[in-house]
Amino acid sequence: RKEVEQDPGPFNVPEGATVAFNCTYSNSASQSFFWYRQDCRKEPKLLMSVYSSGNEDGRFTAQLNRASQYISLLIRDSKLSDSATYLCVVSPGGGADGLTFGKGTHLIIQP
Amino acid sequence: NAGVTQTPKFRILKIGQSMTLQCTQDMNHNYMYWYRQDPGMGLKLIYYSVGAGITDKGEVPNGYNVSRSTTEDFPLRLELAAPSQTSVYFCASGPWASGSGETQYFGPGTRLLVL
Repeated sequence: RKEVEQDPGPFNVPEGATVAFNCTYSNSASQSFFWYRQDCRKEPKLLMSVYSSGNEDGRFTAQLNRASQYISLLIRDSKLSDSATYLCVVSPGGGADGLTFGKGTHLIIQP
Repeated sequence: NAGVTQTPKFRILKIGQSMTLQCTQDMNHNYMYWYRQDPGMGLKLIYYSVGAGITDKGEVPNGYNVSRSTTEDFPLRLELAAPSQTSVYFCASGPWASGSGETQYFGPGTRLLVL
């Protein structure tokens, strides 16, 4: 099983700022891509799926570059409630099941 | 709608003891998964099941066993607890295989401490 790599942070960002996270994945057979959010001592919850064409959900924009095996997440107009750990997640493909998780990027929004 | 439920929420075990972590989902999902998350680390897949009666190993299956006698339940068994099994365990379910693009829904987790 291949890896998903993320900068662990923490990213300390003032409220209202724009912040971007990146992740890289090593398995070129990966089929599906996601960003999950995990609050302290809670379960991961899906933030958004990531498509090659790029997709946007309110203040959140995700991009996938299959050629570079690179995924990004952009958060605009950050809110205090955005403080969390953001997990880059990839489905491995190649017949295996389950998801491969990055270690997460810790984001702290400061008032 | 309860989604995915896990019991217990927290447990302390002594080395060598055994226990079963319970997981139940009420969404009629065929696919179920067990992950563990160590501090500062990503989730790692222990076992998964693609339907009742079918289970398969994930990335870190050693020291664990599973069964899937019904669609709803997917218990995880620790036979001889070791300190290395101290972790947070998450159960998840999904309607389709991971590669389909469908998300997985996670339970609240079980925190296990082995002393």
